[in-house]
Amino acid sequence: GAGVSQSPSNKVTEKGKDVELRCDPISGHTALYWYRQSLGQGLEFLIYFQGNSAPDKSGLPSDRFSAERTGGSVSTLTIQRTQQEDSAVYLCASSLRRHQETQYFGPGTRLLVL
Amino acid sequence: AQTVTQSQPEMSVQEAETVTLSCTYDTSESDYYLFWYKQPPSRQMILVIRQEAYKQQNATENRFSVNFQKAAKSFSLKISDSQLGDAAMYFCAYRSVRLGRYGGATNKLIFGTGTLLAVQP
Repeated sequence: GAGVSQSPSNKVTEKGKDVELRCDPISGHTALYWYRQSLGQGLEFLIYFQGNSAPDKSGLPSDRFSAERTGGSVSTLTIQRTQQEDSAVYLCASSLRRHQETQYFGPGTRLLVL
Repeated sequence: AQTVTQSQPEMSVQEAETVTLSCTYDTSESDYYLFWYKQPPSRQMILVIRQEAYKQQNATENRFSVNFQKAAKSFSLKISDSQLGDAAMYFCAYRSVRLGRYGGATNKLIFGTGTLLAVQP
């Protein structure tokens, strides 16, 4: 079946603008994760959704970052008032259930903040 | 807190030869999962192999195998008969299985800094 998809593939924005990144998980996967991959910080966890439970937001770097997951499927990561240090690749992953399951990744969105 | 260390920023191997990528980790937990992911230039992270800490037997997937040394907290990846398509960034990752504050396991992956593997024809 189809894998995890993300859009847009690349995004260039100006400092101070808001951006929305989208993730479509694998059908039937109840767990969804966002990670950020940047030169300075490597790969870091941002947020985790599991079914209808409250998300684990412990990895979000500031209150400019937020995410939602509608209907237990598609997720949107929003970055408000973007800063240059937000430039990175944002990766989404999903897994069939929560623990003991492998996470499958999407191709990522490369964000460049000018 | 758990940490994952990959001490080899870059490695190179001749086609058809064998290469080993190193990974060490630090944890106080007794049960966890370890993974190797491959990231080619397309950016897509692809699972290479997975190891459950409670299993003594080393995981294997075709040309890929691991040397899991739990006491030493070491988890190296061996690629046999290297192919040009193996060229990529390889990441070692750790995942806890203990219950988190949300009532489920703490599921986030903790990644190493990666090893860039070049395969020479």
